[in-house]
Amino acid sequence: TQLLEQSPQFLSIQEGENLTVYCNSSSVFSSLQWYRQEPGEGPVLLVTVVTGGEVKKLKRLTFQFGDARKDSSLHITAAQPGDTGLYLCAGVEWGGGADGLTFGKGTHLIIQP
Amino acid sequence: DSGVTQTPKHLITATGQRVTLRCSPRSGDLSVYWYQQSLDQGLQFLIQYYNGEERAKGNILERFSAQQFPDLHSELNLSSLELGDSALYFCASSAKGRGSTDTQYFGPGTRLTVL
Repeated sequence: TQLLEQSPQFLSIQEGENLTVYCNSSSVFSSLQWYRQEPGEGPVLLVTVVTGGEVKKLKRLTFQFGDARKDSSLHITAAQPGDTGLYLCAGVEWGGGADGLTFGKGTHLIIQP
Repeated sequence: DSGVTQTPKHLITATGQRVTLRCSPRSGDLSVYWYQQSLDQGLQFLIQYYNGEERAKGNILERFSAQQFPDLHSELNLSSLELGDSALYFCASSAKGRGSTDTQYFGPGTRLTVL
């Protein structure tokens, strides 16, 4: 069982459309992070959310951390082909012994021109 | 460019062999993490070092080991390789080693293929 479940697994939409990607868990997290990974490269951090209910915006990307610190969402407005990539959520479990990140399996996003 | 370097970029070897992957963290970062990325399991945390000492272990097999040297570079040793060990191996570094709030910067990865 994956500790962090991401949905959808694959998403292909047209340029200009809006989309939301979800990251859910039954566990509480100290923080959740969103990464974007392109083929042949390592993940690149987009944002870290720390406080339950927190909302952060990064240009056309809006990130939200659930009130109970168990889930998060990423909303992209007016998607562009440059947004194409693998979006990963990751976190450190509250009270967990390891500081290594637990990752979801990711959402493969394709924005078609 | 994250500032984390990994060598080699690609590695092809046979079952039963042993390989060493190398990672140099960003300048000033004390903590190094190793991750394995495969199609079926996704990104999995293997092990973390902080200033030369092992700090945390994840899903690392007994056939795998790592160390961090005084100059802070790290090596991941994989032995008795199996076909299922074929994956991308990423190294990440962070300043303080606190995974919950410390930003981890990932290297470009080493693609290991076991034939």
